[in-house]
Amino acid sequence: DAKTTQPTSMDCAEGRAANLPCNHSTISGNEYVYWYRQIHSQGPQYIIHGLKNNETNEMASLIITEDRKSSTLILPHATLRDTAVYYCIVKYYGGSQGNLIFGKGTKLSVKP
Amino acid sequence: AAGVIQSPRHLIKEKRETATLKCYPIPRHDTVYWYQQGPGQDPQFLISFYEKMQSDKGSIPDRFSAQQFSDYHSELNMSSLELGDSALYFCASSSEDRAEGTDTQYFGPGTRLTVL
Repeated sequence: DAKTTQPTSMDCAEGRAANLPCNHSTISGNEYVYWYRQIHSQGPQYIIHGLKNNETNEMASLIITEDRKSSTLILPHATLRDTAVYYCIVKYYGGSQGNLIFGKGTKLSVKP
Repeated sequence: AAGVIQSPRHLIKEKRETATLKCYPIPRHDTVYWYQQGPGQDPQFLISFYEKMQSDKGSIPDRFSAQQFSDYHSELNMSSLELGDSALYFCASSSEDRAEGTDTQYFGPGTRLTVL
């Protein structure tokens, strides 16, 4: 079973920041938080990941709480092309537990 | 940048037939994963290979088998196809980033299998 809890759906106005929350209260010390998104039946697209520090790349920012029990993915200026299902996944590094366990994700709708 | 390549992109088969899906990982990636996504469902892990050896196994039916070859490409073989096997099949590849301690998976575009 997925170890994360996300809202089923969210709306965001185009050009505004989209903040997608994720709860992972049972995360262990050597598990990373990964975010992927899937745009209508395309292959899941990697967005960002982190262990305990906040991270930023060209796509998004990841804010992880100090206790690591929750995180927020931030898309700073959402566009219509960001409409997708966003998955928050906790995963051990490598070894025999390297596969991704997808939960239900959050369906983000960016509206004009 | 080179991405994961999957072939074919679409496949239509009859019940009880066999199908072979192919996956070509990103160059220098040594690990391949297979996922199945049924209609309206989330991707489910099937099986993975690291350096041509099976490394993990998920909810893969006994009718399915897979292997990774010396050039690191992988094939998923599906026999005695059933209607319920109709799904998107994704391949992902990764390599270990020892400096960072992660192994981010990058997905291919998928193969849509339709069983009639």
